[in-house]
Amino acid sequence: GAGVSQTPSNKVTEKGKYVELRCDPISGHTALYWYRQSLGQGPEFLIYFQGTGAADDSGLPNDRFFAVRPEGSVSTLKIQRTERGDSAVYLCASSRDRAPTDTQYFGPGTRLTVL
Amino acid sequence: AQSVTQLDSQVPVFEEAPVELRCNYSSSVSVYLFWYVQYPNQGLQLLLKYLSGSTLVESINGFEAEFNKSQTSFHLRKPSVHISDTAEYFCAVSGNNRKLIWGLGTSLAVNP
Repeated sequence: GAGVSQTPSNKVTEKGKYVELRCDPISGHTALYWYRQSLGQGPEFLIYFQGTGAADDSGLPNDRFFAVRPEGSVSTLKIQRTERGDSAVYLCASSRDRAPTDTQYFGPGTRLTVL
Repeated sequence: AQSVTQLDSQVPVFEEAPVELRCNYSSSVSVYLFWYVQYPNQGLQLLLKYLSGSTLVESINGFEAEFNKSQTSFHLRKPSVHISDTAEYFCAVSGNNRKLIWGLGTSLAVNP
């Protein structure tokens, strides 16, 4: 079956603009995660959804970042008033969520560049 | 708090040579340990994971890792590497909160 997909693959924006990044998880996966990977770093946890609700949003860096998953499938990560420091690859992952140890399957990422 | 240290940022090795990529973690609670691989221009893929039981875990492509609780390590090894193993390797830890905490990654370059 299809894996996790993310759109767009690349996004270039100007400082101060608003962006939305989309994630389509694997069908049937109830858990969805967002991570951010800056150049030369490992991924950094942002937020985790169980179904429609955010079970853990402790990784969101500030209130400019917001994520939704209204129907428990597709998720959108929203960044307001973008800053140059937001430039990174944003990764989405999904899992069955039957147990904490269920494998997280990753999408290819969206590379965000803020000029 | 949990953290992961990958001791080598880059590991160059010749084809058919053995390799070890080192990973140490810190945690005050029980952990689950993972190695993910990222091939050039591809997304992260799970290579292997330790959950419980046998401390030696293996992947389908010849890698293995051993969980050592006393040394808080989860080093990745392969007895003979191939050119196709060239990739970025990430060690990660999680607990029951499902959050993966990642190391900085090790770039494995296999040369002919």
